[in-house]
Amino acid sequence: NAGVMQNPRHLVRRRGQEARLRCSPMKGHSHVYWYRQLPEEGLKFMVYLQKENIIDESGMPKERFSAEFPKEGPSILRIQQVVRGDSAAYFCASSPPDSSYEQYFGPGTRLTVT
Amino acid sequence: RKEVEQDPGPFNVPEGATVAFNCTYSNSASQSFFWYRQDCRKEPKLLMSVYSSGNEDGRFTAQLNRASQYISLLIRDSKLSDSATYLCAVNMEYGNKLVFGAGTILRVKS
Repeated sequence: NAGVMQNPRHLVRRRGQEARLRCSPMKGHSHVYWYRQLPEEGLKFMVYLQKENIIDESGMPKERFSAEFPKEGPSILRIQQVVRGDSAAYFCASSPPDSSYEQYFGPGTRLTVT
Repeated sequence: RKEVEQDPGPFNVPEGATVAFNCTYSNSASQSFFWYRQDCRKEPKLLMSVYSSGNEDGRFTAQLNRASQYISLLIRDSKLSDSATYLCAVNMEYGNKLVFGAGTILRVKS
């Protein structure tokens, strides 16, 4: 049973470019979460999605960031007009639609903005 | 006050030692609790869920104290491979976001 998959693993963007991060949840999982870990800081929640629905985006910056989880395909975290402060590790997690609410993390995408 | 607080450590212990970490949370309505392990530049890996009745998995024991709003992790017979950062995570509402502590660094030395 494949785990949570994320790609790319490493992404380098120049300031002002767009970054697209992809996440495929574990098989059978319908809940997807995105977290960001800045250098030397803890994990911070960004957004919680189910298929075609954003459930909680309270951790998303108000501008430039968006997320989706379409009916078909992976979840996408999109960062427009990246700035140096966006450099971080972005982790996706998924959980099953049962009562355990345990979240399993993907390997992350390390975004570097030059 | 932070929502979830941990002693950052580092905890430097010899192989075979028993070590315990605590984690406090501020929201008394918190519903579920977890310990994760994170190795350098890797993703967090779920170590164990923490239940009201306590939870044991081999050398690892997790406890929940709702009255005092803390969870603990006990590691017995520490191995070199236990060296990592241990994160506690609290779920404020079932099925929703996890709030993480900043992590406790454990270094097990031979």
